[in-house]
Amino acid sequence: QVQLQESGPGRVKPSETLSLTCTVSRGSIKTSSFYWGWIRQPPGKGLEWVGNVFYTGTTYYTPSLRSRVAMSVDTSKNQFSLKLTSVTAADTAVYYCARGIAVAGDYFFDHWGQGALVTISS
Amino acid sequence: SYELTQPPSVSVSPGQTARITCSGDALPKQFAYWYQQKPGQAPVLVIYKDTERPSGVPERFSASSSGTTVTLTISGVQAEDEAAYFCQSAENSGTPVVFGGGTMLTVL
Repeated sequence: QVQLQESGPGRVKPSETLSLTCTVSRGSIKTSSFYWGWIRQPPGKGLEWVGNVFYTGTTYYTPSLRSRVAMSVDTSKNQFSLKLTSVTAADTAVYYCARGIAVAGDYFFDHWGQGALVTISS
Repeated sequence: SYELTQPPSVSVSPGQTARITCSGDALPKQFAYWYQQKPGQAPVLVIYKDTERPSGVPERFSASSSGTTVTLTISGVQAEDEAAYFCQSAENSGTPVVFGGGTMLTVL
């Protein structure tokens, strides 16, 4: 079955840009059947959807982060990426990448990566 | 912003039935999904499209809906079911992915 793996720096300085990549294996990212999403979880707290990206590059972001987030896809590497600018301590979280399935205008996530802890600290 | 409300915690003894609720105004018109998350692990989908169970999820996991509340039911709870459970749905004509705050299920 498909596997997802996050990678990127574990520490980012305040005001800088957080960058993460998700590598998809045992399945192609270039498919019309799925979307590719990022979900984050601050330590000890709940889940927050960050956004989704389709293999064509079409993106959907949560309103609260829309001004700071960008997602992209590299089909040649079977990867998708997240960039979050102007980070603060409030962006400290475990960031999960996941495979999304669209259902009547919404999405759910059937496969998740193991998660990557990103700490915002100088 | 749209919110899904879950109780912070539910406790049951082994073999009993656990019920975890999730409330939201848009739930009569939007599908609900449920995830199980054990400490240090990624969430796992246990229910999709209100009542469907992915392959590999034990039959003791089921779900139902009534008006603005959906309920995850775990029958014959086992120690391994101790985990946090998150509901997920969408806002009508708005944000397509919203998570509830999560419910910690404790098996006594």
